[in-house]
Amino acid sequence: GAGVSQTPSNKVTEKGKYVELRCDPISGHTALYWYRQSLGQGPEFLIYFQGTGAADDSGLPNDRFFAVRPEGSVSTLKIQRTERGDSAVYLCASSPSSLAYEQFFGPGTRLTVL
Amino acid sequence: EDQVTQSPEALRLQEGESSSLNCSYTVSGLRGLFWYRQDPGKGPEFLFTLYSAGEEKEKERLKATLTKKESFLHITAPKPEDSATYLCAVRSGGTSGSRLTFGEGTQLTVNP
Repeated sequence: GAGVSQTPSNKVTEKGKYVELRCDPISGHTALYWYRQSLGQGPEFLIYFQGTGAADDSGLPNDRFFAVRPEGSVSTLKIQRTERGDSAVYLCASSPSSLAYEQFFGPGTRLTVL
Repeated sequence: EDQVTQSPEALRLQEGESSSLNCSYTVSGLRGLFWYRQDPGKGPEFLFTLYSAGEEKEKERLKATLTKKESFLHITAPKPEDSATYLCAVRSGGTSGSRLTFGEGTQLTVNP
């Protein structure tokens, strides 16, 4: 079956601009996670959704970052007033439920802030 | 706070030369230790989940083991296609909730 998909695969923007990154989880998966991965590092947790609600947003670095999942499927990560330090690969993962421990990752969106 | 440390940072092997990757962890109540493989420009690919000390899982040339403090990923007779970054992650029962905490990975290169 189809895996987690993320769009766009690459996004180049200018400092101060607003960006949206989209994640389509595996069909039927209720848990959805966003992570950020810098070059040479492991992924770092940003936010976790169970259904439509953000169950844990403690990994969001500041209030410029926001994520939604209005219908419990597709999620959008929104970054306002982008900074050069936001440049990274943004990964989305999904899981059948919060009780299922394995998380399946998408290919990521590479964000470059000039 | 959960912590994961992987070693070595990079490992070069000749085809057929077996070796092990290490993952040391500190968590508050382990709910799972995970191994992922990541190829350049791609997302992590799930390999194994281990839940308790003494548990072992195998897949082709890979075998993962778990103790109370660390996990090993053993690679037997590797092939060039095994070249990738291998990531270790933990899920704990503490305040970290459902998140995974990752190590920085071991970059494995297998030369033909």
